[in-house]
Amino acid sequence: GQQLNQSPQSMFIQEGEDVSMNCTSSSIFNTWLWYKQDPGEGPVLLIALYKAGELTSNGRLTAQFGITRKDSFLNISASIPSDVGIYFCAGYNYGQNFVFGPGTRLSVLP
Amino acid sequence: GAGVSQSPRYKVAKRGQDVALRCDPISGHVSLFWYQQALGQGPEFLTYFQNEAQLDKSGLPSDRFFAERPEGSVSTLKIQRTQQEDSAVYLCASSTGQGLETQYFGPGTRLLVL
Repeated sequence: GQQLNQSPQSMFIQEGEDVSMNCTSSSIFNTWLWYKQDPGEGPVLLIALYKAGELTSNGRLTAQFGITRKDSFLNISASIPSDVGIYFCAGYNYGQNFVFGPGTRLSVLP
Repeated sequence: GAGVSQSPRYKVAKRGQDVALRCDPISGHVSLFWYQQALGQGPEFLTYFQNEAQLDKSGLPSDRFFAERPEGSVSTLKIQRTQQEDSAVYLCASSTGQGLETQYFGPGTRLLVL
């Protein structure tokens, strides 16, 4: 079935640094989504992307829908301690179901 | 309540036991989804309801897994004769049905099968 890859698998950064992570697929998706999951909680939607090449921001978060429709990127600027968590990408095609990546675990050092 | 709730939050079962996991979606949400999230992995789709109709159960890993939503609101995921490989977090999500991206996830039930 369809699979997504996320990199890096985990990252440790200093507070205030910028963060970049990406998600790739062997299949084309028409919608890309980025979620954050805190321990003991369900994923929370951060950003949704609907068009190839689209660049969308939500506060300090910026995500891009790759031109090939097989990848997406998430950037976090000026990280803060509450950014700690696991970031999941998900691909979606109409009439099908979400496919989630394995996640990028972010740790922020004070 | 304001969000999706799930119960129990934690469940320990002996191998071979049956378990039932409950999901209370956001009031008025038409669509309801179940996902299985193994340790260190992203959620994987199990099944989808629109009101009381189970429209997609292609993700259920075996016939030991059964889900229902008889009145189009609360849903129960039942696992019969649990196996150790069933240990995971089971997430429920609901949406208005306007688009899958509007899914709101519950906190999940963490199942441990010994």
